[in-house]
Amino acid sequence: GENVEQHPSTLSVQEGDSAVIKCTYSDSASNYFPWYKQELGKGPQLIIDIRSNVGEKKDQRIAVTLNKTAKHFSLHITETQPEDSAVYFCAAGRDSGGSNYKLTFGKGTLLTVNP
Amino acid sequence: KAGVTQTPRYLIKTRGQQVTLSCSPISGHRSVSWYQQTPGQGLQFLFEYFSETQRNKGNFPGRFSGRQFSNSRSEMNVSTLELGDSALYLCASSPPNRDEQFFGPGTRLTVL
Repeated sequence: GENVEQHPSTLSVQEGDSAVIKCTYSDSASNYFPWYKQELGKGPQLIIDIRSNVGEKKDQRIAVTLNKTAKHFSLHITETQPEDSAVYFCAAGRDSGGSNYKLTFGKGTLLTVNP
Repeated sequence: KAGVTQTPRYLIKTRGQQVTLSCSPISGHRSVSWYQQTPGQGLQFLFEYFSETQRNKGNFPGRFSGRQFSNSRSEMNVSTLELGDSALYLCASSPPNRDEQFFGPGTRLTVL
């Protein structure tokens, strides 16, 4: 089955700096790669996603890049703010015959943005 | 639109008991997935339902089961609870013909 590795497990940055989280996946059939942000006591919130036919996607301060050949994808957060502090999860999924995907998650990165 | 709702939010059970958790998806979403989140194993896929049918299943024992109703609401059941079943159980729903999964706040289950 699919295996997703995520690094680093913890990341501490100063407010205004950039943060980068990296993930690798094992199943070359995976074609959907979402990123989630989870705050304490809440469920994961989808912040950005990318498909395997796209190399990069950006949404304001957040961007995701995908290297399908190397089977890795990354989350980039620029101009970090204290409210960006949370646990971030990457995931990989593949079409299982329907419109939904069975997602395999990385173990998460605890991002701390220091004021 | 209201988000995914899960009830109850917190639950305490003892070993050997069974438990039923409920999930109401976002209006118009017909696909519901369930995940178990623990500090050691992270987020693990349990199963997914679409139009009252289980479409995908993860690698969990048969003690974990689920169902979906005609209004897309879903329940999951865990029988003969074990200490290791203590976890945050998350439900996610997906819009028709889309891949995004939107999560609820979860049910925190503690097994004593």
